[in-house]
Amino acid sequence: GAVVSQHPSRVICKSGTSVKIECRSLDFQATTMFWYRQFPKQSLMLMATSNEGSKATYEQGVEKDKFLINHASLTLSTLTVTSAHPEDSSFYICSARDRGSGYTFGSGTRLTVV
Amino acid sequence: QKEVEQNSGPLSVPEGAIASLNCTYSDRGSQSFFWYRQYSGKSPELIMFIYSNGDKEDGRFTAQLNKASQYVSLLIRDSQPSDSATYLCAVGPMDTGRRALTFGSGTRLQVQP
Repeated sequence: GAVVSQHPSRVICKSGTSVKIECRSLDFQATTMFWYRQFPKQSLMLMATSNEGSKATYEQGVEKDKFLINHASLTLSTLTVTSAHPEDSSFYICSARDRGSGYTFGSGTRLTVV
Repeated sequence: QKEVEQNSGPLSVPEGAIASLNCTYSDRGSQSFFWYRQYSGKSPELIMFIYSNGDKEDGRFTAQLNKASQYVSLLIRDSQPSDSATYLCAVGPMDTGRRALTFGSGTRLQVQP
């Protein structure tokens, strides 16, 4: 089946530093990648939609200068959390529409900002 | 009003019983409906999707869709302790995949051995 590889799975960083999260579609081309954030005991909240070769579309309330998204190829999309603060600590998950009819999710990145 | 609503639970059922999970949605334009299972600390995994009114069965799972009532459900037969997880209902458009799914807040299922 379709696989989206997400790295790192877990990261701890100091407040003020930046963290890059990568998502790769391993056996299909993902022209569109979706980035979600999930706080404990809450549902997935869409942050942004990235399209290969164009600027990402951000949801209302998501700072595009803080959450930088790059979708430079059909198989790679990255999310960079810039100048991270403790309130950015969350579970970040990417997702892409696969060749079937489902949306495949990456394994998620647990970000902890200390 | 939330776009996709689910009872947060927990829904507790004994092992071997049928678990019934429900979901309502507000956008009548929704065309695709998904059920995902999410274990604590893990990413969601697809259980099944349904596009047409009626029932769709896959092993122990049956999805039911009623577009007129804007209602979708998931039945899990012969529930096992390993089914204990949060079940997320998601709705989306019928398109090429350039628009994201909208998720409910999830129902936590506990299957008691």
